[in-house]
Amino acid sequence: EVQLVESGGTLVQPGGSLRLSCAVSGVTLSDYWLGWVRQAPGRGLEWVADINQDGSEKYYVDSVKGRFTFSRDNAKGSLYLQMNSLRAEDTAVYYCRVGLNYWGQGTLVTVSS
Amino acid sequence: DIQMTQSPSSLSAFVGDRVTITCRASQGIDNYLAWYQQKPGKAPKSLIYAASSLQSGVPSKFRGSGSGTDFTLTISSLQPEDSATYYCHRYNSYPHTFGQGTKLEIK
Repeated sequence: EVQLVESGGTLVQPGGSLRLSCAVSGVTLSDYWLGWVRQAPGRGLEWVADINQDGSEKYYVDSVKGRFTFSRDNAKGSLYLQMNSLRAEDTAVYYCRVGLNYWGQGTLVTVSS
Repeated sequence: DIQMTQSPSSLSAFVGDRVTITCRASQGIDNYLAWYQQKPGKAPKSLIYAASSLQSGVPSKFRGSGSGTDFTLTISSLQPEDSATYYCHRYNSYPHTFGQGTKLEIK
């Protein structure tokens, strides 16, 4: 059974930093593109970032470029999203994604003073 | 960026009905389209990938079709548990985009 478990979401002040983690089991992580998708309260899904199998290609939505960094550790079966210079509009549930099929349960990030 | 226009934004149907949800891309995307189902407070669940391929374990009442710019998700024999929000997802190029979502209510 494939499992994705996110962690790291919390309340943070504007301008602050946060690192989200996603631990994956049940698949060989190095076979897949990975991604992060977020959903602001009461809103739809927004694609945030993708990373290729060896981490050499990364893509970000314009609104997070220069502030968020996506990384992966295939040996540890984990993916990470380092979020800096957080803004109120980054408030959302963040989902990690393995390929298209496998999604985590989500972790809530709240940016507020 | 390629935009996805999903319609309708909401619809209501009876148990046993069949409904169709549409996504239109602002330019051609071949068949790089997925469909997801999301219930309140839950993560999205993958239904369809490559426009018409059913994910493993997803019942055949869900059918995807289309290519290029126009895509549809058809759900047959509606049951109460099909009540959810459905999203399309374009993944042919970056940045990826999702449709706005369609909230399906089962009467």
